[in-house]
Amino acid sequence: DADVTQTPRNRITKTGKRIMLECSQTKGHDRMYWYRQDPGLGLRLIYYSFDVKDINKGEISDGYSVSRQAQAKFSLSLESAIPNQTALYFCATSPKPGWGANVLTFGAGSRLTVL
Amino acid sequence: GQSLEQPSEVTAVEGAIVQINCTYQTSGFYGLSWYQQHDGGAPTFLSYNALDGLEETGRFSSFLSRSDSYGYLLLQELQMKDSASYFCAVKSGEPRAGKSTFGDGTTLTVKP
Repeated sequence: DADVTQTPRNRITKTGKRIMLECSQTKGHDRMYWYRQDPGLGLRLIYYSFDVKDINKGEISDGYSVSRQAQAKFSLSLESAIPNQTALYFCATSPKPGWGANVLTFGAGSRLTVL
Repeated sequence: GQSLEQPSEVTAVEGAIVQINCTYQTSGFYGLSWYQQHDGGAPTFLSYNALDGLEETGRFSSFLSRSDSYGYLLLQELQMKDSASYFCAVKSGEPRAGKSTFGDGTTLTVKP
């Protein structure tokens, strides 16, 4: 099984629908992140969480919300999806400061299409 | 805020050496990372530099000059499987320590 699992892997939805992307990890990492990637561009940070009660906005949080249900689970929601949210979404984890803290481990991605 | 610049495309032949540069602007700099991504797959970690100098990991090396806000990834003995996108990412302490900002990536094409 993958260390960082994202579901669904692919989703097609319509404008205005509520969508949830889920991420779970078995690495025991405290820190979790949601990134968005558009074609030909880098990864932009949507939200990040340093532990269950510590959630922070990233550079492009408008239109998104998150929930850290447990250390191992971090979900991303689009309350009312719009076409320009069509993108590839990645969840990532990292340990808290210490050995290995500088390494992000990514999930396989969730490809979302909003029609 | 943070910004990073890297070339959008690089082409090289199998067996050659290629260097991918990255310049950055940031506050609260902690370190520079490099990630590899094949065709929309999961990015995978390659290297991290917190101090000036060269870090070597097999065929890949990464260099950092904090005074120049500059780094590069050096790939030696190129193989076809090295064709991928390569991203530099700055780890900064602003506004919260541990947050990484990525460049737009460099697409490397390795030709026979």
